[in-house]
Order: sequence, then structure tokens, then C-alpha cells
Amino acid sequence: EVQLVESGGGLVQPGGSLRLSCEASGFSFSKHDMHWVRQRSGNRLEWVADIGTNDATDHAASVKGRFFISRENAKNSLFLQMNSLRVEDTAVYYCAREAESSPETVDYWGQGVLVTVSS
Amino acid sequence: DIQMTQSPSSVSASVGDRVTITCRASQDIRSWLAWYQQKPGKAPKLLIFDATTLQSGVPSRFSGSGSGTDFTLTISGLQPEDFATYYCQQAKRVPLIFGGGTKVEIK
Repeated sequence: EVQLVESGGGLVQPGGSLRLSCEASGFSFSKHDMHWVRQRSGNRLEWVADIGTNDATDHAASVKGRFFISRENAKNSLFLQMNSLRVEDTAVYYCAREAESSPETVDYWGQGVLVTVSS
Repeated sequence: DIQMTQSPSSVSASVGDRVTITCRASQDIRSWLAWYQQKPGKAPKLLIFDATTLQSGVPSRFSGSGSGTDFTLTISGLQPEDFATYYCQQAKRVPLIFGGGTKVEIK
């Protein structure tokens, strides 16, 4: 069974940093591109970043230069380093697996982790 | 970036009804479109990919159609467990862009 379990969320002050982790199991982690997607207060889903099987990365314009996605295949883990956090970064962050059969389609999501940026 | 516009934003329907949700892309995305279902407090769930292909385990009352810029998700015979919010997503390239969502509510 595919499982994605996020951790590392919490309350942080504006300007602070957090590192989100996602532990994957039930599939060959190294063979899948992975994404982070966030959702503010039940609103529209917003793509944050992705990392390919070759470690190539892309980041949304809204987080570029502040957030950094990475992976460690030996530990079946995905990460999101978030720096210079802003109030508008407050959201539930989902770790997501890209489908092998359909590029840029997410076929499995984690349960999500809440990040709150507030003073 | 490719923009995705969904309509309606909400729809009230009864069990057994046929519900249709539309999604329009700001440019040609061929068949690179996915549909997701999300229930309150839960992660989204993939329903359809490549515009028309049903994800494994998804009931056949869900169907997708369209290509290019105009797409449709149809639920034929709404069931109680289908009351949720539905999102489309362009899958042509990053950044992945999602539609604004359609909330299917009980009439």
C-alpha cells in the first residue's frame, strides 16, 4: 500500500524557517517524481515544487529563492526547506507522488501537514 | 502559466442526479488533464487522468471528456459519498495549475 506521511509542520513567526519531511513507503520511491502542493484554508490547491528522479527541481514563482525541495532516495524521503516564511505561506502542505503512467498527474497524496506563519 | 477555470463553483443536487462540471484551460493542453475529489479535512483523490481515463478503483459513474481547452467531469447517478469538492488540474507542464473547485452539495 502506498503511503506518504508528512511531518515537521507547526507554528512559526514571519521570517522564520521550517523543514517539512515526507516518508514514503509501499512503492519504489526513487522511480517517481515527487511534488509538494499546498492549500490555504480549504481554498484552491497551489503547486509548490517538484523534484525529478534525476534530482532536477522546479519551484513556484511565489516560493522561488525561499523554499527548496530535495529528496533522499536511500531513506525514501522527500523534504521541503522553507525559509523567510510569510503569513501568506500559511497552509496545509501535501506531499504528492507523480503517476508513472501520466506525467504531472498526482496519483497519491499524503494526509497533509499544517504550517502556520503568525506572530 | 496555463490558467484553469472551473464552473460552476457550487452545485446543489440530489442522490441519483446527473452532475456535470466543466473546466476550461487558457491554452491548448491536449488531453493533459486530471480530476480530483476532495472531502473536508482529507487529501485530494485522483479520479480521472489524461482527460478520460478512470483511475483504478474509481466507480464507473465518474467519467471525463474533452480535449484541447474544454473538459467535463460527469457523475452519473450521484451517491451520498460523492458530496465533495472537485478540482481539475492541467498536467501539460509545471507549474501544475488547479481549477478553483466545484463543491457538490446536497439539495
